[in-house]
Amino acid sequence: QVQLQQSGPGLVKPSQTLSLTCAISGDSVSSNSAAWNWIRQSPSRGLEWLGRTYYRSKWYNDFAVSVKSRITISPDTSKSQFSLQLNSVTPEDTAVYFCAGADSESLLRYWGQGTLVTVSS
Amino acid sequence: EIVMTQSPATLSVSPGERATLSCRASQSVSSNLAWYQQKPGQAPRLLIYGASTRATGIPARFSGSGSGTEFTLTISSLQSEDFAVYYCQQYNNWPSHTFGQGTKLEIK
Repeated sequence: QVQLQQSGPGLVKPSQTLSLTCAISGDSVSSNSAAWNWIRQSPSRGLEWLGRTYYRSKWYNDFAVSVKSRITISPDTSKSQFSLQLNSVTPEDTAVYFCAGADSESLLRYWGQGTLVTVSS
Repeated sequence: EIVMTQSPATLSVSPGERATLSCRASQSVSSNLAWYQQKPGQAPRLLIYGASTRATGIPARFSGSGSGTEFTLTISSLQSEDFAVYYCQQYNNWPSHTFGQGTKLEIK
């Protein structure tokens, strides 16, 4: 049974960097069949996929066009977790952020509990 | 980018009755369409994938149909725990997962 546990601050100041971590149990961040995603949800934007990292003999990343210039998703193999960094945040980045694991069929089967991140001074 | 449009935005149905939710894609997604259920304060939960295959542990009262651009989620006899928000999501156009805006299923 795969479980994802998110951690990170709930308040970030404008222009600073949003940082969240997602710890994986029951699978490995280095799995050759899974992909590890970040998704956010806000009233104005709905559910928005942000990006993913995955391992297929080497590491790959894909990002949404809307955040491509500001986002980093990094695996940590020593702890079997992955992280999200979103730079230069504005109040429009205020949302509930979810990490999610996709299986070999690209289905988002496993979700973290969600973290409300508010961007405010 | 593929746009997913759900209708109606809100659906009021009595317990025990049938609910039918619709999802339309702006271009064909073949059968690469999933449905999720989300309750307040929780993450979305995968219900249906491949347009019509129930995920593990999902009751048989949930069924999905459609292909291409038109999809339907049917809940045959609504239980109290089914009142939630439902999202469709396409996973045909990689790497982006695109979600619909959701249908809120409320008690009539």
